[in-house]
Amino acid sequence: SYVLTQSPSVSVAPGQTARITCGGNNIGSKSVHWYQHKPGQAPVLVVYDDSDRPSGIPERFSGSNSGNTATLTISRVEAGDEADYYCQVWHSSDHYVFGTGTKVTVL
Amino acid sequence: EVQLVESGGGLVKPGGSLRLSCAASGFTFSSFNMNWVRQAPGKGLEWVSSISSSSSYIDYADSVKGRFTISRDNAKNSLYLQMNSLRAEDTAVYYCAREWFGHRFDPWGQGTLVTVSS
Repeated sequence: SYVLTQSPSVSVAPGQTARITCGGNNIGSKSVHWYQHKPGQAPVLVVYDDSDRPSGIPERFSGSNSGNTATLTISRVEAGDEADYYCQVWHSSDHYVFGTGTKVTVL
Repeated sequence: EVQLVESGGGLVKPGGSLRLSCAASGFTFSSFNMNWVRQAPGKGLEWVSSISSSSSYIDYADSVKGRFTISRDNAKNSLYLQMNSLRAEDTAVYYCAREWFGHRFDPWGQGTLVTVSS
C-alpha cells in the first residue's frame, strides 16, 4: 500500500513561516492536494495539483513537490491558520490516500 | 453557494445498520463523482467509498468492502452510504465530498457522527 508520512506537529510564531512536509515514494510523480481541517468544521482544500490555490485561499498558502517529498508552506502565519493539515494523492492500487496529518500550533 | 449536508448519523450497536445521506445544492450534482471520507476519534482522514456521476463506477476501501454500499439519486441531488455489520472501529465522523479533476475533494460537508457501541 502507498503511505504518506507527515510530521505529527509543527509550532510557529505569528508572522513566521510554517513548512509541512509529506513524504511518499516518488511522490514527485503524483499530484498532491492539501487540506486544512479545524475541529468541528469541514476540511477545506487549500492547495491542489502540488501548487495551485483554489479561489478564496490566501496567497500565503503555497505548495511544492519533488522527489519523495511534497511541502505545504504557510507564510506570515496567523492565529487562524491553527489547524490540522493533510496531504492527499491518488494512487492506482489504494485510490485516495491521505497523509497522517500535521497539527499546526500558532504560539 | 455550493453546499453538502450530511445526515443520518447516530448511536448503533455492533452488528447494526445505519444509512447516511448527503444533500447537495448549488451545483450540477449529476456531473460529479462523489465520495465518503471518515475520521475516527483522534485519527486522521480515511477515504471510504467513491461513486461516479452516473453510478457506473463504484469503489470501496478494503476496510468497508462487503459491508458498506454507496449509492446516489441524481434526481434528488443526494448521496447515500448504507452501512451494515457495523463494528466499533467504524466509529467516526463521516464526510461527503465532491470530487474534482485530479481526484481532489472540494467541497466537503460538515460531517455526521456515527458511534458504534453496545
